[in-house]
Amino acid sequence: SQQGEEDPQALSIQEGENATMNCSYKTSINNLQWYRQNSGRGLVHLILIRSNEREKHSGRLRVTLDTSKKSSSLLITASRAADTASYFCATDPDSGGGADGLTFGKGTHLIIQP
Amino acid sequence: NAGVMQNPRHLVRRRGQEARLRCSPMKGHSHVYWYRQLPEEGLKFMVYLQKENIIDESGMPKERFSAEFPKEGPSILRIQQVVRGDSAAYFCASSGRGYFYEQYFGPGTRLTVT
Repeated sequence: SQQGEEDPQALSIQEGENATMNCSYKTSINNLQWYRQNSGRGLVHLILIRSNEREKHSGRLRVTLDTSKKSSSLLITASRAADTASYFCATDPDSGGGADGLTFGKGTHLIIQP
Repeated sequence: NAGVMQNPRHLVRRRGQEARLRCSPMKGHSHVYWYRQLPEEGLKFMVYLQKENIIDESGMPKERFSAEFPKEGPSILRIQQVVRGDSAAYFCASSGRGYFYEQYFGPGTRLTVT
């Protein structure tokens, strides 16, 4: 079953507006990470939030984590055309020494209209 | 500081041929992860390796796929007797440690099986 699932699947907003994406997951985690992928390119790591953190900022990015609801949100403020990309959340499950691979959702495709 | 490098970037193979994908982790990183991204889907974990060891291969198909990370040289993901369903983007990531740390991704290898 899908561990991380982003919502919405696609989002189109005007340049300058804020964009919010959500991620839900199913099992307990060590950390949750957000990645960006431009079309045809590799993933770029944006931010990591640990399970004992509730909020984290990096530039125009703000990530929240609610472990009781098993959800996270990524907020991009003052969006720019260059923010157009797919955004993935990835969870590092607390599997007690098992797989260390991240589990990714299908992503939110964000389009910033100039 | 060179990032994660993957080659080739694009690989075309006929059904039944072998595909070899290479990944050089970031300098100082000894943990390598391979992921597969099918069209319109998120990434799926395949295998986690440290130097000369496979730590977790729970995401690897049981047949035709193998991975190695030798003491010297890049990590290799090998797909024998490729089929059309193997067409995907294969991403490699590396990290300095296994738990709690960001994984840095390469640009990916796009495999097309004709």
